[in-house]
Amino acid sequence: QSALTQPPSASGSPGQSVTISCTGTTSDVGGYKYVSWFQQHPGEAPRLIIYEVNKRPSGVPDRFSGSKSGDTASLTVSGLQAEDGADYYCSSYTDSKTLVFGGGTKLTVL
Amino acid sequence: QVQLQESGPGLVKPSETLSLTCSVSGGSMSPYFWSWVRQPPGKGLEWIGYINWSGWATIYAPSLKNRVTISLDTSKNQFSLNLQSATAADTAVYYCARASGNIDSWGQGVLVTVSS
Repeated sequence: QSALTQPPSASGSPGQSVTISCTGTTSDVGGYKYVSWFQQHPGEAPRLIIYEVNKRPSGVPDRFSGSKSGDTASLTVSGLQAEDGADYYCSSYTDSKTLVFGGGTKLTVL
Repeated sequence: QVQLQESGPGLVKPSETLSLTCSVSGGSMSPYFWSWVRQPPGKGLEWIGYINWSGWATIYAPSLKNRVTISLDTSKNQFSLNLQSATAADTAVYYCARASGNIDSWGQGVLVTVSS
């Protein structure tokens, strides 16, 4: 299985919005609702911020939103704040009953 | 709220077996899938595999399936990872996690270095 494709980096100024893409295939992202996004700060474990494409766990600000179109999922962070600077990873369930991650995107808040 | 805690040796010699255990507290093992994920230093996340809540189903990443075994001990609320024939490329932070379609909870992670 190949990793999902994410841009290596993204950036935005405080208050702006930024969108991170996650491209797979019909065998993973395009075929299932089990697409998740994780936020990871340096030295910390990943934290679930979006599950099942567009759902937010309790405690996650509504500035984080998810969507999917075809084989590409997207994470949008609105009203960027300094603490949003982190690595972001997408993941998807696959036809092989495995999970696959994206390569990660480093988000910089300028 | 479920909590997961990894434990095991932080140093493994090349060609030996890397073994880790994850202790689960604050929740039932059912009806979840219990996973292992690793992250080499400075790199991204790699899913290793998972076992279901009763232990009768395991799924492994194709790249590791020939070397990896995940097992479950429901009496202790623990699950384990064994990775045979370890090499330097297996050096990583290893996380245990809970999944139900999506991974929703993570342990804090443990660094395992493969070196002589």
